[in-house]
Amino acid sequence: GIQVEQSPPDLILQEGANSTLRCNFSDSVNNLQWFHQNPWGQLINLFYIPSGTKQNGRLSATTVATERYSLLYISSSQTTDSGVYFCAVSYGKLTFGQGTILTVHP
Amino acid sequence: NAGVMQNPRHLVRRRGQEARLRCSPMKGHSHVYWYRQLPEEGLKFMVYLQKENIIDESGMPKERFSAEFPKEGPSILRIQQVVRGDSAAYFCASSPLGNNSPLHFGNGTRLTVT
Repeated sequence: GIQVEQSPPDLILQEGANSTLRCNFSDSVNNLQWFHQNPWGQLINLFYIPSGTKQNGRLSATTVATERYSLLYISSSQTTDSGVYFCAVSYGKLTFGQGTILTVHP
Repeated sequence: NAGVMQNPRHLVRRRGQEARLRCSPMKGHSHVYWYRQLPEEGLKFMVYLQKENIIDESGMPKERFSAEFPKEGPSILRIQQVVRGDSAAYFCASSPLGNNSPLHFGNGTRLTVT
């Protein structure tokens, strides 16, 4: 099956800093999504982005399907951005990466 | 604007009992997925259902686990004769168009087997 690798595994930031999270995948996909799991366990869909670039407020994402990677950018981070960020890919059912644990300190 | 509704939020079962987890998808969504998350791990796919049909159950353990999505009512994930290793968070998600559309998750059911 498809392998999904996320980096870095852990990231600690001061409020206001910018960050880039990366997702590499091992095979062609027609579906890529980014999720945020907050400290209470809720999973929020951030982007459905099989290719191209999208922006939503302070977050943006870029997927380069031909090179099998996606990037999630977080600008001007806030403490509420803390949690785990998952990339999930598929050519069929979604396979999740292991996540990046982000901690934003005030 | 109800999202994906899961209940119960927390469920405690003794070893050998049955656990039933319910999921009502978002309005207008007919595709339902179940995922399991162990502590400190990512989400593992279990099963994908459409109304009255199991589309993909390749992630379901062969024994004790079953899932359904009847014509009327919520999707049910059923675990018979639970064991301690079944303790996990079980998430349901729904989408409007299946695999190539955004997935929306419920808040999960935390199952604890004592």
